Amino acid sequence: GDSVTQMEGPVTLSEEAFLTINCTYTATGYPSLFWYVQYPGEGLQLLLKATKADDKGSNKGFEATYRKETTSFHLEKGSVQVSDSAVYFCALREAGGTSYGKLTFGQGTILTVHP
Amino acid sequence: GAGVSQSPSNKVTEKGKDVELRCDPISGHTALYWYRQRLGQGLEFLIYFQGNSAPDKSGLPSDRFSAERTGESVSTLTIQRTQQEDSAVYLCASSSSGGRGSEQFFGPGTRLTVL
Repeated sequence: GDSVTQMEGPVTLSEEAFLTINCTYTATGYPSLFWYVQYPGEGLQLLLKATKADDKGSNKGFEATYRKETTSFHLEKGSVQVSDSAVYFCALREAGGTSYGKLTFGQGTILTVHP
Repeated sequence: GAGVSQSPSNKVTEKGKDVELRCDPISGHTALYWYRQRLGQGLEFLIYFQGNSAPDKSGLPSDRFSAERTGESVSTLTIQRTQQEDSAVYLCASSSSGGRGSEQFFGPGTRLTVL
């Protein structure tokens, strides 16, 4: 079945450092790809998405590009802030079939940014 | 509020008891999902409702788990004869459609602890 693999955390960075969180996927079809974020004490919320190959999703300074050839959707940010400290989840959504609609999540990566 | 709401926010129960968790989706959203998040892990899909179609129950871990949804409104997830391994945060999400790019909006979750 479909699966998502994220780099293991936790990741600890200093403010203004460059961030990369790797995400690769396995899917039988042509999925949509998502990054969700869970800030401390808050619910899960969508950070960005891409629905087709070479699409770049972006939001709040974060970017991720849908790479079909490498089945990857790595999350990047050029200069992180303390307020970016959170848990980040990569996810995919199948293009069709009997399980159409559900999200398949990676295990999550804890990011801590120090001043 | 306009978001997804869940109740209770916390539930502590004894092994062997039945529990019922409630989800109120965003008004007008036809799709509703239940996920489970065990400590330190990613989200696991449980069940998906889309309009009046038969639900996708492929993620339910055992026959102790069941869920219902009345039309396009409230959903309840029932766990019978709870076990300690059922301890987790149960998240509900809704989306305006089942489309591959449509955003799922998550509720705050119900934290279930089985003693």
